Amino acid sequence: EPEVTQTPSHQVTQMGQEVILRCVPISNHLYFYWYRQILGQKVEFLVSFYNNEISEKSEIFDDQFSVERPDGSNFTLKIRSTKLEDSAMYFCASMMQGHSPLHFGNGTRLTVT
Amino acid sequence: EDKVVQSPLSLVVHEGDTVTLNCSYEVTNFRSLLWYKQEKKAPTFLFMLTSSGIEKKSGRLSSILDKKELFSILNITATQTGDSAIYLCAVADSGGSNYKLTFGKGTLLTVNP
Repeated sequence: EPEVTQTPSHQVTQMGQEVILRCVPISNHLYFYWYRQILGQKVEFLVSFYNNEISEKSEIFDDQFSVERPDGSNFTLKIRSTKLEDSAMYFCASMMQGHSPLHFGNGTRLTVT
Repeated sequence: EDKVVQSPLSLVVHEGDTVTLNCSYEVTNFRSLLWYKQEKKAPTFLFMLTSSGIEKKSGRLSSILDKKELFSILNITATQTGDSAIYLCAVADSGGSNYKLTFGKGTLLTVNP
């Protein structure tokens, strides 16, 4: 069964460094998302992306965050200058069309020290 | 602000027991309610419910939605140790072309042999 793949599975970085989290959504899906889950807390929406542009973003998704779909298969989340509070599990998700379920990747655990 | 509340937050049962997990919600533009199972990493999709009163079933799992009372239940019969996981309820909200999920905190189910 096709799945969403994310790399790396775990990333450790120092405060202030830039990180790029990578995702390959399911190939015929059209909608792409990033969510995050801080340890022990809810899964939170960050951003949705459709038709090569951001369709919605949350308050968490400030100027330090950006997303890109550079080549028609990868979908990346960049954090320009990481903060300690960015430590979380970041999930990529994709959806074929409106009203269908989101399918999540296994996540990247980001640890900012 | 959209809100999803799950109960109980945790539950410990013995193999063979039947469990009922609850999810209530408040959302501005309701599209659907989804249940996911989260073991170590990715939330994996279980059910998507859009209509009241229609039970969805998959093996020992079933779920139903009440759009009048704004809640859903997930039932698991004849529980097995492999059912141990966090069960997440999420509501899909769409304003215009946007579509995103708001998650509850989850119910941690532990099934003991």
